[in-house]
Amino acid sequence: QKEVEQDPGPLSVPEGAIVSLNCTYSNSAFQYFMWYRQYSRKGPELLMYTYSSGNKEDGRFTAQVDKSSKYISLFIRDSQPSDSATYLCASNTGGFKTIFGAGTRLFVKA
Amino acid sequence: GAGVSQSPRYKVTKRGQDVALRCDPISGHVSLYWYRQALGQGPEFLTYFNYEAQQDKSGLPNDRFSAERPEGSISTLTIQRTEQRDSAMYRCASSPDRFSYEQYFGPGTRLTVT
Repeated sequence: QKEVEQDPGPLSVPEGAIVSLNCTYSNSAFQYFMWYRQYSRKGPELLMYTYSSGNKEDGRFTAQVDKSSKYISLFIRDSQPSDSATYLCASNTGGFKTIFGAGTRLFVKA
Repeated sequence: GAGVSQSPRYKVTKRGQDVALRCDPISGHVSLYWYRQALGQGPEFLTYFNYEAQQDKSGLPNDRFSAERPEGSISTLTIQRTEQRDSAMYRCASSPDRFSYEQYFGPGTRLTVT
C-alpha cells in the first residue's frame, strides 16, 4: 500500500463546475498536506498547503484535511479551462521527505 | 527571479554509460531535493541536501546512483552503468528553509537509456 493514494482519473468537467479532488494517506505522523499542480511537460508547482486538520481557502481553491479519516481534499470552484492539469497531493511529517500521490488528471471543458 | 534550472533537458544514452544530471537551485535556497517521476506517477524522493550536506539518500535505488552538492548550491546526480530501467524524468527541487513544505521544482531531465 502506498503512503499516499490518489485516483488517477482522468476527471472531465464542464467550465464553471465545482471540482473535488481527493487523496487518502496511511501514515498517522503526516502533519503537512500539500497540493501541487502540474501542467503538461512542466514541473509541479505548489498550490496550497495545510497544517494538520482543517480547511484553508485561497481564491477559488479550498483544501481540507480530516486526520481522523486520513482524507485530503481539494475543491476548485468555478473551474476554468486553465485549471486543466494534473493535481498532486503530498504529505510529510514536518521533515524534509515528502511523499506524493500519483496525481489526478483534470480536464475542464470550455 | 530565476527559478530552478536543470540540464540537460533531454539525455539519451546507451546502456552501460555513466550520466551526470545537473541542478541549479534558486539562489539562496538551503534545501535541495532530487526526485524521479515516472509517467503517470508523482515524484518519488531520491535524496536531500541541507546546504552541502547530504542528509538523506534513502531513496536512491542502488549504489549506481550518487549525488553531490559540494558548495551548497549546484548539485549533480550521477548514474553509473545506466540500465534501461533508469529511464525516467529526473526532477530537482529547492526550498528556502531546512524543513519546508514549499518546494520549487525544476523542469526536469528526461533520461532515456537505450
